[in-house]
Amino acid sequence: GDSVTQMEGPVTLSEEAFLTINCTYTATGYPSLFWYVQYPGEGLQLLLKATKADDKGSNKGFEATYRKETTSFHLEKGSVQVSDSAVYFCALRPRGGSYIPTFGRGTSLIVHP
Amino acid sequence: EAQVTQNPRYLITVTGKKLTVTCSQNMNHEYMSWYRQDPGLGLRQIYYSMNVEVTDKGDVPEGYKVSRKEKRNFPLILESPSPNQTSLYFCASSEAGLGPEAFFGQGTRLTVV
Repeated sequence: GDSVTQMEGPVTLSEEAFLTINCTYTATGYPSLFWYVQYPGEGLQLLLKATKADDKGSNKGFEATYRKETTSFHLEKGSVQVSDSAVYFCALRPRGGSYIPTFGRGTSLIVHP
Repeated sequence: EAQVTQNPRYLITVTGKKLTVTCSQNMNHEYMSWYRQDPGLGLRQIYYSMNVEVTDKGDVPEGYKVSRKEKRNFPLILESPSPNQTSLYFCASSEAGLGPEAFFGQGTRLTVV
């Protein structure tokens, strides 16, 4: 079946550092890929998405590129802020079959001032 | 304001006592779904609904029921809750079913003793 693997956290960074959270996937065909962010006590918020190979999703300074050759969708941000501290989830939705999304386990990001 | 509203936010119940968690969205979305979130497992889809009177199983439907009699509401029913259903539950909605889950509720933390 489909799967999403994220790097284990927590990822701890100082403010203004460069962020990378790795995400790789296994799926049949070419799924759509997403990143979500979850702040403490809240539901998930869609951060960005990409629907085909080489697409780059971007939002709020975060970016991720759909890499079909490496089956990856790594999340990056050039300069993190304390307010970016949250849990980040990578997810995919297959284009056929059940259409049921698969989520990664989440990566906690802690940004210190 | 666009939102998905779940109730209750917190619930402690006893094994076997039927309960319902309500979910309502005010965006006229066709697609709604339920997830459970467990530590180290990410989110797993329980049920989804593509439109009124159209529901289908997600990855972990055992022990749950849903109904979609109106477009805005998608209640989750636990006919006979068990301790292994202790979890954090999220309802989500989006315009159509093949993109990302666009809006999540704030979650319902359920404890079954």
